[in-house]
Amino acid sequence: DIQLTQSPSFLSASVGDRVTITCRASQGISSYLAWYQQKPGKAPKLLIYAASTLQSGVPSRFSGSGSGTEFTLTISSLQPEDFATYCCQQLNSYPYTFGQGTKLEIK
Amino acid sequence: EVQLVESGGGLVQPGRSLRLSCAASGFTFDDYAMHWVRQPPGKGLEWVSGISWNSYTIVYADSVKGRFTISRDNAKNSLYLQMNGLRADDTALYYCIGRDCTNGACKYAFDVWGQGTMVTVSS
Repeated sequence: DIQLTQSPSFLSASVGDRVTITCRASQGISSYLAWYQQKPGKAPKLLIYAASTLQSGVPSRFSGSGSGTEFTLTISSLQPEDFATYCCQQLNSYPYTFGQGTKLEIK
Repeated sequence: EVQLVESGGGLVQPGRSLRLSCAASGFTFDDYAMHWVRQPPGKGLEWVSGISWNSYTIVYADSVKGRFTISRDNAKNSLYLQMNGLRADDTALYYCIGRDCTNGACKYAFDVWGQGTMVTVSS
């Protein structure tokens, strides 16, 4: 199985900050990676697919990059509604695995 | 409005069975592969099972293989998960998910998520 390791697991930041979350795969997954945002009591919401394609309706302050084994999610200027947990997922091969999540908290 | 609504969760004793259902609306159901993902309380996401639009391809996580059965009824716009031999570690919120596979080219992401149905396995 392909393991995804996110870093950091916890991140404290302020409104307006630029933040970057990293997702590393245990083997190459081309660009078959998605990023999700999850708020307490809610289902995950798709942000980025195919590593760098912004899902329709998602603000442009979110961006994704990477291929192979290393990927990043960047939020260019944090807004109050962005404080949530972020998770990556690989869709290169079954079983489709998820990262453990990064909880983004208000500083 | 694109929507997935799960039902069928509840409290069940170890070793017993439960059948989850998911009703889809607002999109062309048979353009989508469908999946189940679960999330134990306070923990991360775990992919459980997936089924292609025509049910020809079915896959399971090792943790549920031989115990869970996924199926779909395109005429009813519905997805199902039959769960047998339930164990305490199956306790989780189960999400129904749609993956856009329009024209045979699947998006590399899970587009549409339901709100989940809680399954608790306990004596």
